Amino acid sequence: KAGVTQTPRYLIKTRGQQVTLSCSPISGHRSVSWYQQTPGQGLQFLFEYFSETQRNKGNFPGRFSGRQFSNSRSEMNVSTLELGDSALYLCASSLATANYGYTFGSGTRLTVV
Amino acid sequence: DQQVKQNSPSLSVQEGRISILNCDYTNSMFDYFLWYKKYPAEGPTFLISISSIKDKNEDGRFTVFLNKSAKHLSLHIVPSQPGDSAVYFCAAGGYQKVTFGTGTKLQVIP
Repeated sequence: KAGVTQTPRYLIKTRGQQVTLSCSPISGHRSVSWYQQTPGQGLQFLFEYFSETQRNKGNFPGRFSGRQFSNSRSEMNVSTLELGDSALYLCASSLATANYGYTFGSGTRLTVV
Repeated sequence: DQQVKQNSPSLSVQEGRISILNCDYTNSMFDYFLWYKKYPAEGPTFLISISSIKDKNEDGRFTVFLNKSAKHLSLHIVPSQPGDSAVYFCAAGGYQKVTFGTGTKLQVIP
């Protein structure tokens, strides 16, 4: 079966712009979580969506937002980009909870210049 | 507030020997723990998990040990193989939220 698909793989944006990243979970998975990975910080939890509702949220500013569609596909948006937003953004899906492990996508590498 | 800590950023082990990766956590409300492996340019891959009601879980060459009183878990890889060279993340979960550590880069030397 197809894995978690994230698009685009690479993105270069200018400070102050906004960006939208996309994630298509494994078919049948209803939970989608987003993580930011930066060197030395590990994976920082952004938010989780389940059945189109945000179920949990990490400690990121309001510039970071997301949504989930009825087909479980999810998008995350970052507005007013800052240099510090440069990171690998990972999407992970699971059936309902993460007890038995997420399946991660390959990530979107965002570079803000 | 780093609730899940991996204090060793890197570890080198000879092929065939045991690799032991360690992880400490602070929140006693976590009710399951997981280990992930990550190769460059790929997303993390789930390896093994353990419920808080157990103290050991084994899957092939991988064994995870949980010491709840010490709030410590470890991943043992026996025997270590060059293909195990990757970054390993431990994670702790509770109520739909999973918190990851900062990772340990394992290098298995042939």
